[in-house]
Amino acid sequence: DAGVIQSPRHEVTEMGQEVTLRCKPISGHDYLFWYRQTMMRGLELLIYFNNNVPIDDSGMPEDRFSAKMPNASFSTLKIQPSEPRDSAVYFCASSLPRTSGSLWNEQFFGPGTRLTVL
Amino acid sequence: AQSVTQPDIHITVSEGASLELRCNYSYGATPYLFWYVQSPGQGLQLLLKYFSGDTLVQGIKGFEAEFKRSQSSFNLRKPSVHWSDAAEYFCAVAAPPNFGNEKLTFGTGTRLTIIP
Repeated sequence: DAGVIQSPRHEVTEMGQEVTLRCKPISGHDYLFWYRQTMMRGLELLIYFNNNVPIDDSGMPEDRFSAKMPNASFSTLKIQPSEPRDSAVYFCASSLPRTSGSLWNEQFFGPGTRLTVL
Repeated sequence: AQSVTQPDIHITVSEGASLELRCNYSYGATPYLFWYVQSPGQGLQLLLKYFSGDTLVQGIKGFEAEFKRSQSSFNLRKPSVHWSDAAEYFCAVAAPPNFGNEKLTFGTGTRLTIIP
């Protein structure tokens, strides 16, 4: 398996522009997570999906951020309009469905998208 | 809500020396505990996890961690580090999961530098 795939790997944009980050989870995983990593705040969970449905979006910073999962193999995180404080590394992760008796399923992380907003 | 503290931002260790990275958690009961490693430019990789039972858990790459309930700690150890261990290490905690609760809370990380 190719692992979690994220694109682009690097994005440089100007303040006010729309930014779309993309993620392809591992096939068969039905949980998908979006994280943001900054020096100041560390690694934060933004939102996660189960079977394409958003379960918890309490970490989404504000209305400028939105995430969708139109199907089991694709998710987007959109920032509109972008601001310099959105500069960070954004990670996508996926995990297997929970089955009877499983205590936890490992989250597999993608390589991240480094976003710079000028 | 659960939280994690990694008191050491940066640690430098000589190659071949032993290593201990500290992690303290805050949670009302025994949470699920994890250590992840992030190599430069890479995503996070799970090193080991603790759910219950034996308080000393073994992980990949020769790492181990010990859960100490009395100290609310889950410190990561390795007897002899290799240059390839240079990376950032994250401790994470999750509530024992109910259906649908899959949230991981991460510490701020400890950057490990290895010197010859």
